[in-house]
Amino acid sequence: ELKVEQNPLFLSMQEGKNYTIYCNYSTTSDRLYWYRQDPGKSLESLFVLLSNGAVKQEGRLMASLDTKARLSTLHITAAVHDLSATYFCAAYFGNEKLTFGTGTRLTIIP
Amino acid sequence: DTAVSQTPKYLVTQMGNDKSIKCEQNLGHDTMYWYKQDSKKFLKIMFSYNNKELIINETVPNRFSPKSPDKAHLNLHINSLELGDSAVYFCASSQDDRDNYGYTFGSGTRLTVV
Repeated sequence: ELKVEQNPLFLSMQEGKNYTIYCNYSTTSDRLYWYRQDPGKSLESLFVLLSNGAVKQEGRLMASLDTKARLSTLHITAAVHDLSATYFCAAYFGNEKLTFGTGTRLTIIP
Repeated sequence: DTAVSQTPKYLVTQMGNDKSIKCEQNLGHDTMYWYKQDSKKFLKIMFSYNNKELIINETVPNRFSPKSPDKAHLNLHINSLELGDSAVYFCASSQDDRDNYGYTFGSGTRLTVV
């Protein structure tokens, strides 16, 4: 079965702190995507990770991919309130099918 | 210029009714999708079309019927609506070179069946 699991499901953290969201997937995939969703809004593309060892950074967010461990991480550095949102990872397993993780609802507390 | 646009944004209807959601993309993408997001925010693919041809048809009740009149449009028609159909439906598109561009999502249609 094609599965993508994220943890934690809920994350409440203080401004200025660092934290990591983990994304595990069940079978071989060489394309991993991260999205952000604000309440009542669409999904905004954050990162596309294509190969083992890929690392991408944008502002306070950094994503990495380890295809051997079937693991991607989204690291948040010195969190600010504007980063409060739900973050999804999604793995491409072929056949035009993008499978999403369960999402991590991130709340940054002042 | 909206890349992937869906109409309507909100849809409230009674059980048993038939309704349609429309989706259009102006990105020139080859593939379009319908995703369903439930109340727990879980996203699941329903259908995928590539150049008007059905590629993916997940285990979705046959009350749901997608239609792609051309590459830029993918509509979703739902017959005999049920309470469990209440969700947010997202249209998305991608081009063959999804390595660089990923998937682009519409703003969603919040369907409420009463």
